[in-house]
Amino acid sequence: AQTVTQSQPEMSVQEAETVTLSCTYDTSESDYYLFWYKQPPSRQMILVIRQEAYKQQNATENRFSVNFQKAAKSFSLKISDSQLGDAAMYFCAYSPPPGYALNFGKGTSLLVTP
Amino acid sequence: GAGVSQSPSNKVTEKGKDVELRCDPISGHTALYWYRQRLGQGLEFLIYFQGNSAPDKSGLPSDRFSAERTGESVSTLTIQRTQQEDSAVYLCASSPLTGTGHNVIFGQGTRLTVV
Repeated sequence: AQTVTQSQPEMSVQEAETVTLSCTYDTSESDYYLFWYKQPPSRQMILVIRQEAYKQQNATENRFSVNFQKAAKSFSLKISDSQLGDAAMYFCAYSPPPGYALNFGKGTSLLVTP
Repeated sequence: GAGVSQSPSNKVTEKGKDVELRCDPISGHTALYWYRQRLGQGLEFLIYFQGNSAPDKSGLPSDRFSAERTGESVSTLTIQRTQQEDSAVYLCASSPLTGTGHNVIFGQGTRLTVV
């Protein structure tokens, strides 16, 4: 079974600073997908960034980037130039190739202070 | 549609009643997923559809829970004889199974409260 672990229940960052959220996972698969989702109080799960395991290059979406370490089974999210609107729950998720359910971590609550 | 649509947005029901939750996925998305999120918790997988068939129902918590999908489009999650422990947000998501994308897009969820 695949498991996803987010070891930081809560994190805090000042506006304009950089914060890194941690995620580790366990799998015996060689090909899979990893995701970070943001869930604001509106409860909408918003896809932040996606990484395909066979791609060695780390994914980047504007201020969001990942540090994907396949051998270590680590997938951290870096948020640069943090903004007040980044405050939310962040969930890391793992999926085998398309056609299977996502396995989610328990989430990290990110607080952004002025 | 442009996004995944779920209805109703909120539902309050009495213990013992049946409820139906609806999900309209993004047009053309072959895969459809249902998740449950209890207050302050992560997402629990319930069931996955590929087209109209459900190859993975492993997450359904009891036989009171069932789901169907028709026309490779709309899906309905039914909870019979609701219990207070069923109170949660029920999230639906869809994704394509072809092409280079594996973007799983979520709806806004249905908040179910059993009183």
